Amino acid sequence: GAGVSQSPRYKVTKRGQDVALRCDPISGHVSLYWYRQALGQGPEFLTYFNYEAQQDKSGLPNDRFSAERPEGSISTLTIQRTEQRDSAMYRCASSSTGTSGRLTDTQYFGPGTRLTVL
Amino acid sequence: AQSVAQPEDQVNVAEGNPLTVKCTYSVSGNPYLFWYVQYPNRGLQFLLKYITGDNLVKGSYGFEAEFNKSQTSFHLKKPSALVSDSALYFCAVRVNAYSGAGSYQLTFGKGTKLSVIP
Repeated sequence: GAGVSQSPRYKVTKRGQDVALRCDPISGHVSLYWYRQALGQGPEFLTYFNYEAQQDKSGLPNDRFSAERPEGSISTLTIQRTEQRDSAMYRCASSSTGTSGRLTDTQYFGPGTRLTVL
Repeated sequence: AQSVAQPEDQVNVAEGNPLTVKCTYSVSGNPYLFWYVQYPNRGLQFLLKYITGDNLVKGSYGFEAEFNKSQTSFHLKKPSALVSDSALYFCAVRVNAYSGAGSYQLTFGKGTKLSVIP
C-alpha cells in the first residue's frame, strides 16, 4: 500500500482480555518498529524487527507484551491479560533499508491503534 | 541514555509571522535528529531530518531546522506561519553509531502544540 496501515484503529476491551494489534508496513520495507504513546507524551519504543527477526525488544514493559513478524511483512503486537495502564495509542513504523542504512533511515508511521482497557 | 526536551508545551503565533519550535537533545556521541508533525486523528508525519553536512536542513511544507552542536539544539522554524500549520510537533533523536540494543529506536520529546492564529 501507499503507507503504513494499522488495524483496528480503535479497540476497547475489558481488563484481563487479550488483544492483538496488527501492522502492515510500507511494501518492501524491511524494518518495522512498535511504539506506545500515552496521552500528552511522545511515542516510546517497544520493539524492532529486521525482516522476520526481532532484533530489539528492550522497550517491552513486561512479559504480557509480545510481538511477531513471521513472514517479514505484517506484524502483530499482542498484549495478554490487559490492564488499565495499558491504555494508550500504539503506533507502528517502518523503514526501508537493511543492514547499512538503518541509523539514517526515516521511520514512517501508521495512524495508530487507540487501545482503551476498561 | 538519550533524551529530548521540548521546553514549550504550546506555542502561539499569528498567521504570517515566523515561527520557532524549540528542541534540545542529549545523546552519547553524535546525533541524528528528526522532526515529525501530528495532525488530529492522523499518524505522525515526517518533516525533516539532520544526518550530516549543512547545519540548516530544509523539509516539507516550507519548514526548516538548524542543528547547533554547541547548544545541542535542533529548533524547527518557518518564515511565515499558516493556519494549517496548527498541529502537534515532535522532535526525536537517535545516536549515529550502533551501540547495541536500542540503537535503532527513536527517542521523542513530549511534543509542542503549535497554534497559528488567523
